[in-house]
Amino acid sequence: AQTVTQSQPEMSVQEAETVTLSCTYDTSESNYYLFWYKQPPSRQMILVIRQEAYKQQNATENRFSVNFQKAAKSFSLKISDSQLGDTAMYFCAFILIQGAQKLVFGQGTRLTINP
Amino acid sequence: NAGVMQNPRHLVRRRGQEARLRCSPMKGHSHVYWYRQLPEEGLKFMVYLQKENIIDESGMPKERFSAEFPKEGPSILRIQQVVRGDSAAYFCASSLQGAREKLFFGSGTQLSVL
Repeated sequence: AQTVTQSQPEMSVQEAETVTLSCTYDTSESNYYLFWYKQPPSRQMILVIRQEAYKQQNATENRFSVNFQKAAKSFSLKISDSQLGDTAMYFCAFILIQGAQKLVFGQGTRLTINP
Repeated sequence: NAGVMQNPRHLVRRRGQEARLRCSPMKGHSHVYWYRQLPEEGLKFMVYLQKENIIDESGMPKERFSAEFPKEGPSILRIQQVVRGDSAAYFCASSLQGAREKLFFGSGTQLSVL
């Protein structure tokens, strides 16, 4: 079975700083996708970034980028120039390319951006 | 294009009552997923449906829980004879091409069992 672990329950940084959220996962498969989802206080889950495991190039979306280390099974999220609106829970998630269409989520990291 | 709509946003039930949670996917989306989130935990997969079919219910408890996605109308997650342990946030998500592409989530229904 696949598992996703986020070892930082909470993080807090000042506005405009850069912050990195950690995620590790465990699988015996080689083909999968990884995601970071954001859950603000409104509770709605919002996709931040998606990475295909077969691509070596790290995905980026504006201020958000990932450091994907396949051998280490690590998938960290870097937020540059953090903004107050980035305050939210962040969840790392995993899904296999073949087989069941179900995302496996980590426990989440609560990120607070301070003014 | 309206997003995924879930209602009610909050639902309070007493032990033994039934809970019905509704989800209207985004227009044109035929893939619907239900997830459950316990306090301070990540989302856990419950069930995956396409129109009129249950594709994967491996995350659903074997008793008291059922889901449907009829040809017309919203998807329904039904919990019979609720117990305190059913208290959680229940999220619905939809997609055009499946969960490996972008999933669009609703804002969830917070179920509280007294």
